[in-house]
Amino acid sequence: GAVVSQHPSWVICKSGTSVKIECRSLDFQATTMFWYRQFPKQSLMLMATSNEGSKATYEQGVEKDKFLINHASLTLSTLTVTSAHPEDSSFYICSARRLGDNYEQYFGPGTRLTVT
Amino acid sequence: GQNIDQPTEMTATEGAIVQINCTYQTSGFNGLFWYQQHAGEAPTFLSYNVLDGLEEKGRFSSFLSRSKGYSYLLLKELQMKDSASYLCAVLDSNYQLIWGAGTKLIIKP
Repeated sequence: GAVVSQHPSWVICKSGTSVKIECRSLDFQATTMFWYRQFPKQSLMLMATSNEGSKATYEQGVEKDKFLINHASLTLSTLTVTSAHPEDSSFYICSARRLGDNYEQYFGPGTRLTVT
Repeated sequence: GQNIDQPTEMTATEGAIVQINCTYQTSGFNGLFWYQQHAGEAPTFLSYNVLDGLEEKGRFSSFLSRSKGYSYLLLKELQMKDSASYLCAVLDSNYQLIWGAGTKLIIKP
C-alpha cells in the first residue's frame, strides 16, 4: 500500500503557458501533501505544504501566485505552474502523508518539466 | 538555523562495504530518514531511526546517535545497482522534513 502517482511524468511547454501537475494517493487518504522541486545535482527543495480543504503554506522565496496549489480532496493535489519560463524547468516531486501518520511521506515518481 | 551535512560524493568497489555519514543540527527531532534516489527518479525510502542504535535491514543498516546529532547508513556487499544518491533527512519539531544535499555513491567493478 501507500502508492502515490503523478501525472504527467514529463511535459514540455512553451514559455508563457501554464502547466498543471496532478498528485494522487492511490490507496490511502492523505491529509497533507508536499510539493518539492529538484534541480540537477541538487537535493529536494520543499516548495509548499498543502492540507486538504485549506490554503497551501509556501516556503520562503516561493511565489504563491506563480505556483498555484489546490488540495481539493484527500487523494488529490494539483500544482499549476503559471506563465512558465525556462528557469522553471525542473523535476517536480510530490509526496503524501497518510491520515493519522505524523512522520512518513510517500513519494510520487516525479514530473520532469521543460519550458522552451 | 537548521543544517544537515553529508559528503558530496563517495566511491566504493563492488562487493565492498561503505558508510555514509550524516550530521544534523535541527530545531527539534522526530526521527531521521535515509532515502535512495537514482538519477531522474523520485526518492525511495530506506530507513527511519528515532531511537539511538543500529537498525539492520538486509544489506542496509542505519545508525543514530541523538546526543551527537549523527547518523550513518551502512551498505554491505555493494552491487552496481547501488550507484545512486543517498539522502539524509530529519523530521523537525514541526514534523517537516529537513533534507541534506545528498551523497552521490559511485560503485566501481
